[in-house]
Amino acid sequence: DTAVSQTPKYLVTQMGNDKSIKCEQNLGHDTMYWYKQDSKKFLKIMFSYNNKELIINETVPNRFSPKSPDKAHLNLHINSLELGDSAVYFCASSHLQGYEQYFGPGTRLTVT
Amino acid sequence: GQQLNQSPQSMFIQEGEDVSMNCTSSSIFNTWLWYKQDPGEGPVLLIALYKAGELTSNGRLTAQFGITRKDSFLNISASIPSDVGIYFCAGGPEGGSNYKLTFGKGTLLTVNP
Repeated sequence: DTAVSQTPKYLVTQMGNDKSIKCEQNLGHDTMYWYKQDSKKFLKIMFSYNNKELIINETVPNRFSPKSPDKAHLNLHINSLELGDSAVYFCASSHLQGYEQYFGPGTRLTVT
Repeated sequence: GQQLNQSPQSMFIQEGEDVSMNCTSSSIFNTWLWYKQDPGEGPVLLIALYKAGELTSNGRLTAQFGITRKDSFLNISASIPSDVGIYFCAGGPEGGSNYKLTFGKGTLLTVNP
C-alpha cells in the first residue's frame, strides 16, 4: 500500500562506520531522488536517478554513493560516517520529466 | 544557485483563523509546488501549479502561481489543529532537463485550539 518506503526509519551508528539506507517505490515512477534535511529543516537534493541512470549529482562528498538496481529502488550507501552526516534522509520519486515528487517517511541518521 | 524566500518563518494562530504564506524568487519558475511536513514524516504534496496566474484549491487550501512567475502564495482557511506542521514551497526552474526542485526554508504553523 505504501507509495515510497524507506528502511530503516532510525539509524544510530558511530563515526567511521559504513551504512546503507534503502528506498522502494511502487508508484511506477521513472525517477528517484535522495534529499538531506538538516536540523533547520532545510531540504537539499543530493542525487537523482532516472531509469537507473544518474542525472543529478549535487556537491556531495564521494563517501555517499547511490545505487539503483532497478527503477523502483534507489539505495544510499555512506562510507566513513562523520558527525556532520547526522540528518534526516528522504527518498522521493516522480514520473519522468515531472516536478511532482512524492516523498518517503525519512530515515533519521544519528552519528555518534 | 537559485534561492526561494519563504515567509513567514513561523506562525502562531488560533483555530478557525485564516493563514497566508508566500514564496518569492529572483528567478522565473515554470512550476510551483506546496508541501506539508508533519513531525517525523516526509513532505506530502498538497498542490501543484503549472501556469502563471493559476489559482488552485484543495479543500481549505488555495494556492496561486504569481503572474510574474517569481512568486506563489498558499492560503489556508478556517484552520484546524491538524493543520499544524511545516509548509514548504518548491519551485521547478525554467529550462533544464533534470527537473530539479528548489525548496524554500519552510513555514512552521502552530494552531492553538
